[in-house]
Amino acid sequence: GAVVSQHPSRVICKSGTSVKIECRSLDFQATTMFWYRQFPKQSLMLMATSNEGSKATYEQGVEKDKFLINHASLTLSTLTVTSAHPEDSSFYICSASPTSGGALETQYFGPGTRLLVL
Amino acid sequence: RKEVEQDPGPFNVPEGATVAFNCTYSNSASQSFFWYRQDCRKEPKLLMSVYSSGNEDGRFTAQLNRASQYISLLIRDSKLSDSATYLCVVNSGGSNYKLTFGKGTLLTVNP
Repeated sequence: GAVVSQHPSRVICKSGTSVKIECRSLDFQATTMFWYRQFPKQSLMLMATSNEGSKATYEQGVEKDKFLINHASLTLSTLTVTSAHPEDSSFYICSASPTSGGALETQYFGPGTRLLVL
Repeated sequence: RKEVEQDPGPFNVPEGATVAFNCTYSNSASQSFFWYRQDCRKEPKLLMSVYSSGNEDGRFTAQLNRASQYISLLIRDSKLSDSATYLCVVNSGGSNYKLTFGKGTLLTVNP
């Protein structure tokens, strides 16, 4: 159990286009989902915390107008990278915490999405 | 000072060796601590939580020293399958839960 999926797993796009990444909890409900970004040879960095039915909380330095997060249901959160540029190329990973039966410390990670902006 | 710092590595060890990873954290209010492993180009996976009294899970032993703000992971009798990047992770957000990851230490276990 506790599977989190991400789609797409890999995307290549032209500079200036927008890219949407989906994060789904497949067998549990998640009130809270987290979005991370990892550049090569760097640590995972939390971008934002997404709560179902409310606005996401962004970390310092992350542009909320550029990285749009929607958490419309207990099993789905989406991250849209608007007007993507080459410097947005990275590995984007989501995680989800079960609504019940565990603290927020129980985070299940998705397999990640590799974004390459040309 | 970085919030979570780890041995830069990489570590190359033969099968059967014992290897230790060290980690320090800067936020003294941090409440919970973890070790994750991340295989190349994959998502991180929880290896074990770290408790104040120290804890063991098979060949893996984790220690926490709150006074020194220091965390360690010991792997005994290392296997080829232990080859991965080991991430020290701290909940630095308190009630506003936030995981802060170290850069990781790459371990390669050689036959």
